[in-house]
Amino acid sequence: AQSVTQPDIHITVSEGASLELRCNYSYGATPYLFWYVQSPGQGLQLLLKYFSGDTLVQGIKGFEAEFKRSQSSFNLRKPSVHWSDAAEYFCAVGAGNNDMRFGAGTRLTVKP
Amino acid sequence: DAGVTQSPTHLIKTRGQQVTLRCSPKSGHDTVSWYQQALGQGPQFIFQYYEEEERQRGNFPDRFSGHQFPNYSSELNVNALLLGDSALYLCASKSRLNTEAFFGQGTRLTVV
Repeated sequence: AQSVTQPDIHITVSEGASLELRCNYSYGATPYLFWYVQSPGQGLQLLLKYFSGDTLVQGIKGFEAEFKRSQSSFNLRKPSVHWSDAAEYFCAVGAGNNDMRFGAGTRLTVKP
Repeated sequence: DAGVTQSPTHLIKTRGQQVTLRCSPKSGHDTVSWYQQALGQGPQFIFQYYEEEERQRGNFPDRFSGHQFPNYSSELNVNALLLGDSALYLCASKSRLNTEAFFGQGTRLTVV
């Protein structure tokens, strides 16, 4: 069965510091992996996606993620966090035209 | 391009009532999925429509039903509302030929 685990419910980082959000997945086939961001009361915006090829993918807003098949992980990173990055981040797994399964999310707080 | 649009944005209903939520997909998209996002949780897949038929369904009771129209727009209907149905309902659209889904801003349903 498909599942996604985001181990960190809430993370606080200082503005300018680096960020890593963890995501572990369980999927029977080659997964399609996604990271979405959600600001309060808003829908989801796609940050980046991995389907195949280079395991380090670049996304919008300076985010990147690395797919590690051996660890079943797809962690999101950003070298320097901005106050505007404060939001809820969701990792999701899917394949082809199947539905996506989302993790419970990680809430990011940015300290000035 | 208006993107994915959902209506209404907010809705308050009484327990036992019925509700209909609407979604217009992004231009060029033919597949619509619905998700329920309870407070503090990740989105949960309800169902997906393509070619006016329900193609996949998540673990939701029959009180949740949907429809897709020839112009690809979609409705989500929930009967016999329960307090636990209070959530943000998200619509996502995509092209059948592509795996990237775009989300609307959601409809916030409150059941009292």
